[in-house]
Amino acid sequence: NAGVTQTPKFQVLKTGQSMTLQCAQDMNHNSMYWYRQDPGMGLRLIYYSASEGTTDKGEVPNGYNVSRLNKREFSLRLESAAPSQTSVYFCESRDYEQYFGPGTRLTVT
Amino acid sequence: AQTVTQSQPEMSVQEAETVTLSCTYDTSENNYYLFWYKQPPSRQMILVIRQEAYKQQNATENRFSVNFQKAAKSFSLKISDSQLGDTAMYFCAFMKHNNNDMRFGAGTRLTVKP
Repeated sequence: NAGVTQTPKFQVLKTGQSMTLQCAQDMNHNSMYWYRQDPGMGLRLIYYSASEGTTDKGEVPNGYNVSRLNKREFSLRLESAAPSQTSVYFCESRDYEQYFGPGTRLTVT
Repeated sequence: AQTVTQSQPEMSVQEAETVTLSCTYDTSENNYYLFWYKQPPSRQMILVIRQEAYKQQNATENRFSVNFQKAAKSFSLKISDSQLGDTAMYFCAFMKHNNNDMRFGAGTRLTVKP
C-alpha cells in the first residue's frame, strides 16, 4: 500500500518552461487536492477534485491547470513557469482520513 | 474567508516536559473541523489530531491533546512527555463542514531539547 505518491521529488525549471506534477493514490479516495507551501507559510490550496471528472479552484489557482485523469491520478500543470511558482507542492488524498504525498520541490529560475 | 492564526513562530521544550501550542481561528460557521498537523524535516505532513466542532469533548491521541474553546475560537495543542521525535513544524488547520477548502496557519517550529 503506497498511499500517495508524487513525481518528481525535485525539479528545476527556467522561466517560461512547462511541466506536469503527477500525483497518484491507491486508497480509492474520491477527493484529491493540490497545495503549495511557501517559506514561513502553511499550505495553500491550488485546485481540488471532489470526485472523478470534476475539478475546482482553490485559494491560489492562477498559473495552474489540473486534470483528474481517473480516480487514482490527479495532475498539476504549469504551462509557463514563473519564479513566483517556486515552492514545495503537496498532493492530498481524502475521504474521512487524509493522506499527503511527500511533496515536490520546484525551483523556477 | 476563514483565517487561522498561530502566534508562536518558534517554541522549545525540554525532553519529557509538556508544551502547549496556540491556534486561533476566525469563522462565522457553526459546523467545522479543526486539525493539527506535524511536518518533520522530511516534509511529510502527518495528521496529529482532529476535532469536530460539534463535539464538546476535547480530542486526545496518546500524548497529544487539544483544548478546544469554541466560543473563544481557540484550538491549542498540548504535547505531554515531549520526545526528541516531536521536533517538527506544527500546523493548525480549519475546514468548514462539507467543504473542501482547508485553511492552514503559518506554523510553529517546535524544538525538543535533550
